[in-house]
Amino acid sequence: EADIYQTPRYLVIGTGKKITLECSQTMGHDKMYWYQQDPGMELHLIHYSYGVNSTEKGDLSSESTVSRIRTEHFPLTLESARPSHTSQYLCASSDRGTYGYTFGSGTRLTVV
Amino acid sequence: AQRVTQPEKLLSVFKGAPVELKCNYSYSGSPELFWYVQYSRQRLQLLLRHISRESIKGFTADLNKGETSFHLKKPFAQEEDSAMYYCALDSGGSNYKLTFGKGTLLTVNP
Repeated sequence: EADIYQTPRYLVIGTGKKITLECSQTMGHDKMYWYQQDPGMELHLIHYSYGVNSTEKGDLSSESTVSRIRTEHFPLTLESARPSHTSQYLCASSDRGTYGYTFGSGTRLTVV
Repeated sequence: AQRVTQPEKLLSVFKGAPVELKCNYSYSGSPELFWYVQYSRQRLQLLLRHISRESIKGFTADLNKGETSFHLKKPFAQEEDSAMYYCALDSGGSNYKLTFGKGTLLTVNP
């Protein structure tokens, strides 16, 4: 089924660990996005990509990095996790012709 | 720069009452506006978009360019409408990013 998938769904890790949050979509969308959703539920764009080998930083400064080597895959990496990174991370993709985004289920990250 | 304002963080109504979730935007061009909804334990999903002028689950929203508003309305609220609602703006052109408001948590009481 064409959809967007995020793994893991929940993650608890220790400070200083390196982690990668996975996001894959099977809809053939060229545009992909990472949003951080804080406890107050506000959404902040942290990274986006308009296609393979294209990545840009979003409106909210983030210590994470992303890569886009394949159209369907847009992983987000934290080299050294800190408690301030505790949040929910949402991945989305878009086909400009259909407007709007399709969101994944999110990864809820807790850094202890 | 574009901005989306949802002035109400929380909104509580009784079942059967009309509901209006406010959204104002700041953008000098011709934006595309959307409403997204996030039900408890579900993913964020598109509710409706202004360009299609459709009614979804009884909700409608009209783009008022004079007042730069895109308020979401429903004449008779249902308990299952309880959710987080986000207004979003797409500035169009080659800028394919959505700017979201801070969201309004709607609670429909029985």
